[in-house]
Amino acid sequence: GNSVTQMEGPVTLSEEAFLTINCTYTATGYPSLFWYVQYPGEGLQLLLKATKADDKGSNKGFEATYRKETTSFHLEKGSVQVSDSAVYFCALSRNNNDMRFGAGTRLTVKP
Amino acid sequence: DGGITQSPKYLFRKEGQNVTLSCEQNLNHDAMYWYRQDPGQGLRLIYYSQIVNDFQKGDIAEGYSVSREKKESFPLTVTSAQKNPTAFYLCASRSTVGWNTEAFFGQGTRLTVV
Repeated sequence: GNSVTQMEGPVTLSEEAFLTINCTYTATGYPSLFWYVQYPGEGLQLLLKATKADDKGSNKGFEATYRKETTSFHLEKGSVQVSDSAVYFCALSRNNNDMRFGAGTRLTVKP
Repeated sequence: DGGITQSPKYLFRKEGQNVTLSCEQNLNHDAMYWYRQDPGQGLRLIYYSQIVNDFQKGDIAEGYSVSREKKESFPLTVTSAQKNPTAFYLCASRSTVGWNTEAFFGQGTRLTVV
């Protein structure tokens, strides 16, 4: 079945450090891939997405590239801020029936 | 403003009672979803609905029920048959126009069994 595996957290970084959160997927066909962010006590918000191989999604300094050959969609940011502290979820959608999420990675950025 | 609203934000239930969580959207989305979030387990799909008067079980439907009488509304009932209902519940909706559209989430309801 379709599934997403993302790196376990928590991840703790100092401000201005480089961030990578790994995400790999298993799916038939050509899913779309997403990164969502969840701030404390809130629902999820879309951070970025990519709909086909080699697409790069980007938003607020975050980037992720859809790599079909490695079935990966790793999230990166060159310089994190304290305000980036949140839980990040990788997700895939094979069609409009459902959306599968990874377990989430908690990021804490210290000043 | 368009969006998806869950209520209440916090809910307490005594063991053996049914409780209904509300989810309303004014985004004109056909598809709606309920997820359960537990610490360290990410989001697990409870039920989803692609159209009014139709819905399907997700991965953990046991002990839950839903209805979809209106496009805007997708309430979730947590029944007394759900053995461990304390969790954070998230409702989402998405458009079915186009392919693999993004999901929009409500703010969530935190249910605690006391």
